[in-house]
Amino acid sequence: AQSVAQPEDQVNVAEGNPLTVKCTYSVSGNPYLFWYVQYPNRGLQFLLKYITGDNLVKGSYGFEAEFNKSQTSFHLKKPSALVSDSALYFCAVSLPNTDKLIFGTGTRLQVFP
Amino acid sequence: DTGVSQDPRHKITKRGQNVTFRCDPISEHNRLYWYRQTLGQGPEFLTYFQNEAQLEKSRLLSDRFSAERPKGSFSTLEIQRTEQGDSAMYLCATQGGLSSYEQYFGPGTRLTVT
Repeated sequence: AQSVAQPEDQVNVAEGNPLTVKCTYSVSGNPYLFWYVQYPNRGLQFLLKYITGDNLVKGSYGFEAEFNKSQTSFHLKKPSALVSDSALYFCAVSLPNTDKLIFGTGTRLQVFP
Repeated sequence: DTGVSQDPRHKITKRGQNVTFRCDPISEHNRLYWYRQTLGQGPEFLTYFQNEAQLEKSRLLSDRFSAERPKGSFSTLEIQRTEQGDSAMYLCATQGGLSSYEQYFGPGTRLTVT
């Protein structure tokens, strides 16, 4: 069965420091991978995706993620965190032709001034 | 604002009552999904449509749940005889087609069953 793990419930980082939010997945086949962000009282916003090609993908708001097939990981990164990045981040996976997204449990990112 | 709208944003109902939620997709998007999100969890897939055809339903979608997408435009999700366990955020998402992989989510409808 497909699954996504986000091992950290919360990540704390000081503003200006690099941040990493971890995600690992378990699927058979070649996955499509996604990161979404959820701000309070707002819907999920798409950040970035990996479909094929270059393992490093860039997305909105300066975020990027690295696909590592051997480690089945898709960690979200940003070189310099902003207080406004504080939100709930979800990693998700789908398989070609299945369309539905399987989400992790989310990681709360807290960026301190 | 992703362009996907949901109505109502909040619904409080008594156990046993029926409720219906509406989702209006981005106009050119032919795929529409429903998810349910409970506190501390990621969204869970319920069902999806391609145009007006309902192509997949999760085991989470009991007989009390029904979804429609007449004419391939807006969609409704109805829950009959609501139970307290139905309390959750119900999310709608749309996708632009086979070459567009990401889904765009609406703000959700928060259901509270008392």
